[in-house]
Amino acid sequence: GAGVSQTPSNKVTEKGKYVELRCDPISGHTALYWYRQSLGQGPEFLIYFQGTGAADDSGLPNDRFFAVRPEGSVSTLKIQRTERGDSAVYLCASSLMGQGYTEAFFGQGTRLTVV
Amino acid sequence: KNEVEQSPQNLTAQEGEFITINCSYSVGISALHWLQQHPGGGIVSLFMLSSGKKKHGRLIATINIQEKHSSLHITASHPRDSAVYICAGHAGGTSYGKLTFGQGTILTVHP
Repeated sequence: GAGVSQTPSNKVTEKGKYVELRCDPISGHTALYWYRQSLGQGPEFLIYFQGTGAADDSGLPNDRFFAVRPEGSVSTLKIQRTERGDSAVYLCASSLMGQGYTEAFFGQGTRLTVV
Repeated sequence: KNEVEQSPQNLTAQEGEFITINCSYSVGISALHWLQQHPGGGIVSLFMLSSGKKKHGRLIATINIQEKHSSLHITASHPRDSAVYICAGHAGGTSYGKLTFGQGTILTVHP
């Protein structure tokens, strides 16, 4: 399809394990964002890529969280030594980057459950 | 303190009623998105505003830059409008792609 695609849609993992969450942005979108949404809360910013580089990673909660976008398209959010508090919906969005503000398009999210 | 505040947090309406959801934001927010989120997590962008007013079907969004306030209106509401509505602000500067989200308004429209 033409939208933002996130895989897997659901992931259940044991505490202490490593997980990878994938985001395929809309083709041609140079900006890519990761957000985390806990139950009953609004999404919180994690990291923002412009092309291959992380322009702002101030939202990553600690060094267990890392994200890459090696070719400026697909991005992977990596979580090491998962904790139960990491359970949330992880949302990815992409947008064109031009003059002014551009609309962000969201994926369906990956629901991560750490047991 | 959250830079984007929404009200009300919960809103219940009867089909056909006119609905207003409000959003106030702080200095440093230069444009606003209104987003719709249905159960299951998918988020759809409804509007992006930096000034004035936009309309799409039964949805109207307005923004007052001086008062740092935006509203989302739904005319002739319908049960299918039931969802969480979120306003989110664009930060300025080099991270203008970064969105700061409000807590969301849970709208339930009864037939």
